[in-house]
Amino acid sequence: EMQLVESGGGLVHPGGSRRLSCAASGFTFSRYVMYWVRQAPGKGLEWISVIRTAGGESFYADSVKGRFTISRDDSKDTLFLQMNSLRAEDTAVYYCAKLGVRDGFDMWGQGTMVTVSS
Amino acid sequence: AIQMTQSPSSLSASVGDTVTITCRASQDIRSFLGWYQQKPGKAPKLLISSASTLQTGVPSRFSGSGSGTEFTLTIGSLQPEDSAIYYCLQDFSFLTFGQGTKVEIK
Repeated sequence: EMQLVESGGGLVHPGGSRRLSCAASGFTFSRYVMYWVRQAPGKGLEWISVIRTAGGESFYADSVKGRFTISRDDSKDTLFLQMNSLRAEDTAVYYCAKLGVRDGFDMWGQGTMVTVSS
Repeated sequence: AIQMTQSPSSLSASVGDTVTITCRASQDIRSFLGWYQQKPGKAPKLLISSASTLQTGVPSRFSGSGSGTEFTLTIGSLQPEDSAIYYCLQDFSFLTFGQGTKVEIK
């Protein structure tokens, strides 16, 4: 079965750090561009980061640039998001995803909640 | 950055009605647009890829059209299970989601 499973969410104090992981299975992870998308409570979807294949060129939304780092370990079929200098406005459900807008192959994890609060 | 303007923000319709949701891009995105359905507590589900390609297993009452800067999602013969929030997503240059349309059943 093809799936993405996120982990690492939880309660973090403002200014703190958190590392999210996303374990892929059932498909050839290394072949695909991967994304992190978040959704604040009661709000819409927000793209925050993308990482290319083989070499891992990455890009970030302005809202997280300089604070978040995306990475991947293709040997372990795992995507990561290192989040530093967290703010209250980073509180959201974080999804890892392989997006299928272009090729129809679309997969999302179940999401992991990150709450930034003192 | 490409902006996506989605309308309406919400709508209420009866079972059997046809509803239309529109997304306008701030620049030409060719056909690099998808439509997603999200139900409470769930990850989004891709309904339409490449502006008009219906995903396997998605009911045929869903259809997408458009290219360039104007795109439409149509739900024909609305069903109770179609109550959800719908988002467009452009994939031409990085990603931009539309603001979402909440579809309610009267």
